[in-house]
Amino acid sequence: EIVLTQSPGTLSLSPGERATLSCRASQSVSSTYFAWYQQKPGQPPRLLMYDASSRATGIPDRFRGSGSGTDFTLTISRLEPEDFAVYYCQQYSGSPWTFGQGTKVEIK
Amino acid sequence: QVQLVQSGAGVKKPGASVRVSCKASGYTFTGHYIHWVRQAPGQGLEWMGWINPNTGGTDYAHQFQGRVTMTRDTSTTTVYMELSRLRSDDTAVYYCARERGPGNSFFEYWGQGALVTVSS
Repeated sequence: EIVLTQSPGTLSLSPGERATLSCRASQSVSSTYFAWYQQKPGQPPRLLMYDASSRATGIPDRFRGSGSGTDFTLTISRLEPEDFAVYYCQQYSGSPWTFGQGTKVEIK
Repeated sequence: QVQLVQSGAGVKKPGASVRVSCKASGYTFTGHYIHWVRQAPGQGLEWMGWINPNTGGTDYAHQFQGRVTMTRDTSTTTVYMELSRLRSDDTAVYYCARERGPGNSFFEYWGQGALVTVSS
């Protein structure tokens, strides 16, 4: 099983600042099989990025995904009020699909 | 538009079973795998398994094998997840999610979730 470890656990930032979220895999993951999701309270997760760097439909270009192998990054260039949420990374290279434990981006 | 509408939320006693349904619409039902993911209160996302609506084939996460059963009804385009021998730590929101596919893929659409509370 591929274990995904996200850091930091919580990111306290102000609107307009840049957010950098990390996800490290316990073994190499093809970038073709890596995604990021955003989740707000009381809502299901929402797909942000897939194949490590492709934005899902409707996702603004302030979100950027990068990385390969065991290290992946989600960058939000300038935080908007609606971006404060929990973010999960996921690998889907095969069973079992696994998620990171989440990074909460909160308003400072 | 693609929709996954879930039902089956409720309170269950320890040792009982729960069945959560996920009705799919807006796309070819048999063309995309459906996965189940759960989230305990205040916790992260836990993958439970998938079902291939075309063949009925399934794959379950190791920790749920023997307790979970995923089935589908192609006539009603509904997928079901039944979890048996419920424990208090099964209290969670249960989501269904559709892969983009084909093959190993990310979850493009999600149901709204169904809260299952296990309590005596």
